[in-house]
Amino acid sequence: NAGVTQTPKFRVLKTGQSMTLLCAQDMNHEYMYWYRQDPGMGLRLIHYSVGEGTTAKGEVPDGYNVSRLKKQNFLLGLESAAPSQTSVYFCASSYSGQNGEAFFGQGTRLTVV
Amino acid sequence: AQKVTQAQTEISVVEKEDVTLDCVYETRDTTYYLFWYKQPPSGELVFLIRRNSFDEQNEISGRYSWNFQKSTSSFNFTITASQVVDSAVYFCALSEAANAGKSTFGDGTTLTVKP
Repeated sequence: NAGVTQTPKFRVLKTGQSMTLLCAQDMNHEYMYWYRQDPGMGLRLIHYSVGEGTTAKGEVPDGYNVSRLKKQNFLLGLESAAPSQTSVYFCASSYSGQNGEAFFGQGTRLTVV
Repeated sequence: AQKVTQAQTEISVVEKEDVTLDCVYETRDTTYYLFWYKQPPSGELVFLIRRNSFDEQNEISGRYSWNFQKSTSSFNFTITASQVVDSAVYFCALSEAANAGKSTFGDGTTLTVKP
């Protein structure tokens, strides 16, 4: 009964390095989301996907790319990490848009030095 | 554009006190969803409630209750007889009806319940 699993849970990057965060869900959900949470703030939507092969920009998409090649996976990429991307990243999924409760992963704490 | 305001940044109460967390929202949509989430010190997000904009009935779940008033664009959350385990950050969120997971979050209210 895994739900939404994020990999890795913690990561430290040097400025300019790249990395990919993986989100996997086993609930056959169509919709998936990536959010970031900065200290003292709520979550802000980075990108989302309404189905396999589709992606769309959220509120704060700059500096990130995403891919949804498989329905169960949603990848978030940082091509050239910057200290401003230090944050906690949350992935979520929902069965549908309407009437769909979003289930969140446990979060990934990323530090860019 | 949607906006959620949680004016109370931090609240501190003594155990067994009642506490109300305020949430005010802005949206041009006529149909939308409102949510409350709890984020305990461990960091995960715990879903508490979802409310459709057409349903203004108040809801009670154990010690938790929610008051939705469309006329004032508010969706307040009350914890009755608070407990130390209620200490957490609480987020109110708003989403468009067509995509319930595409949410706008408030900045959260940190609730500390002292024994």
